[in-house]
Order: sequence, then C-alpha cells, then structure tokens
Amino acid sequence: SQKIEQNSEALNIQEGKTATLTCNYTNYSPAYLQWYRQDPGRGPVFLLLIRENEKEKRKERLKVTFDTTLKQSLFHITASQPADSATYLCALGTGGFKTIFGAGTRLFVKA
Amino acid sequence: GAVVSQHPSWVICKSGTSVKIECRSLDFQATTMFWYRQFPKQSLMLMATSNEGSKATYEQGVEKDKFLINHASLTLSTLTVTSAHPEDSSFYICSARAPGLAGQETQYFGPGTRLLVL
Repeated sequence: SQKIEQNSEALNIQEGKTATLTCNYTNYSPAYLQWYRQDPGRGPVFLLLIRENEKEKRKERLKVTFDTTLKQSLFHITASQPADSATYLCALGTGGFKTIFGAGTRLFVKA
Repeated sequence: GAVVSQHPSWVICKSGTSVKIECRSLDFQATTMFWYRQFPKQSLMLMATSNEGSKATYEQGVEKDKFLINHASLTLSTLTVTSAHPEDSSFYICSARAPGLAGQETQYFGPGTRLLVL
C-alpha cells in the first residue's frame, strides 16, 4: 500500500544546531515533493518544493534533498531558532497535481 | 501575495444543523481549490477538489451529500457540512492553487476552521 512516513516522535534540539527531518515514502513515484510548516491551529505554509530530477534545494536556512532511489527526502534547518518550533509536513505531488501529506514531525527548538 | 482566508475561524453548533465554511483567495484567482480535514496529530486528509464552475471531485469515502462544495467564482469556494454530527467535529482547511505565482504545484492554505458539533 502507499505510505508516507514521517517520524511521529517529536524532535528536540538545541538552538543553533541543525535540525534534520526525514520523509520516507513507499509505492509512490512522485513528480515533486514539498515541505510545509504548520503551527498549532493554523493552516500549513509552503516552504520548499523539489522535483524528481533535482537532488537538493536551498532557501535561506532551509535545505531539502530528494533521493528517488531511497524514496526519501531530508529537510534541514541550519542555525535553528526557537521560532522554528512547529510541525513540518512532507507532501508528495502525484498525477494531476494532487498532493498527499504525511502526518508531520513536531520540532521543538530549545533556547 | 497568495493569501487565502477562511470564515468562520471556529464554529460550535448543535447536532443536526448545517454549517457553511467559506474559503476566499484574496489577491489571486484560484481555478482549483481543495478541502481538507485534519484530526489532532494526524495528517491532512483531502476531502475534495473543486474547480470553478464545475462539480467537485470527492475522495473515496467522503459523502458528497454530506459535504456540499460550491466553487461559484474564481475567488470563492464554500463547504457546507449538512446535518452535522459530533463525529464531524474536526479542523477543516481549504487551499488554493495559484499557478501564476509559484508554479502549478504550490498550494496556499487558509487558516482553517475548527468545527465542534455538540
């Protein structure tokens, strides 16, 4: 069956460190993969998109990698700050631009 | 740019009543809008895709007579939960695609509507 797996356990890191979140998928062949940020009681906010033919994408302190062989994406936040604390959602783009979301990983950055 | 609003932000209603939620794209035209529901600590579940001027496409398991979707204009889609029951209590989020802004793949989400059915 098709699955998108994100670490259900919260990730706790110290301010200034790099946070790395993982998204694994099975039985999908996504044309692209996206990462969103969601704060409690709010809608998701788009962060980055990476296509199947791209290995890496960067935006300011954010970096995303996409390995279609491993069926995995890694999301990095460098020099993390308490304001980065949120839930981060991985989303796969399938045919017809339909987007399938993972359950998200909660990140806590301690000052 | 690419702001999506939802109204109301939260609603409490009695069982058996109907509730309408509005989703508006404020500064762009959205040919396609999506409706999701989200339970605590769970992923967004796509309910339906609505295209302006045509009938919505519902995901498997979503009752179209229960969740009425109308996409009357390029900036407005509505979701009506008919004869709401406590199990319909959830967080409902809409999103819109803005191809001209950031490519066809990116969705811009509203702030969500929390529905509590007593």
